[in-house]
Amino acid sequence: ILNVEQSPQSLHVQEGDSTNFTCSFPSSNFYALHWYRWETAKSPEALFVMTLNGDEKKKGRISATLNTKEGYSYLYIKGSQPEDSATYLCAPRNAGNMLTFGGGTRLMVKP
Amino acid sequence: KAGVTQTPRYLIKTRGQQVTLSCSPISGHRSVSWYQQTPGQGLQFLFEYFSETQRNKGNFPGRFSGRQFSNSRSEMNVSTLELGDSALYLCASSLSASYGYTFGSGTRLTVV
Repeated sequence: ILNVEQSPQSLHVQEGDSTNFTCSFPSSNFYALHWYRWETAKSPEALFVMTLNGDEKKKGRISATLNTKEGYSYLYIKGSQPEDSATYLCAPRNAGNMLTFGGGTRLMVKP
Repeated sequence: KAGVTQTPRYLIKTRGQQVTLSCSPISGHRSVSWYQQTPGQGLQFLFEYFSETQRNKGNFPGRFSGRQFSNSRSEMNVSTLELGDSALYLCASSLSASYGYTFGSGTRLTVV
């Protein structure tokens, strides 16, 4: 069972602020790293699937980086908007195709 | 295209009863995974099925079981329900290991 840690647990920012969160995971038996956004009353939505060390992904104002050697990933949101308010989950996947989710970072963006 | 469909959306059961939850994945997705979320807990992995075979199983007691049919639809069964089984149960399907998972809306189970 992997120990996946996300920090901070929650974050309050003002509209327009840029922010970032961290996902830490054991680097052994690593296959891929998933990021999801989970809005209240909705289903988790896939943001990125990252596999290679040094990988960077971008989707609009959201981007992510991956360091597989040291076992961490950063998620960045540029110019946060109220609609970005959600819980952001990371989940490393092992070679057996099993995802282990972290506890998530709950982001609240104030207008 | 249709998303991942979970039925029922809500369910109330009594301790000791059993329950069956259903998940219909996106057409063409052969991998189906189940997760449990309880208050204060993150998403806990239950099991994953691929082409009717269980590929992975999480750290849950044997009361939790599942299966997948030839059309990739999956069911999850919980026997001898306990109060602690009250949770949101999410199903997710995937085209392949290279893609992210698409989640259903979940079944909220309440055990009284």
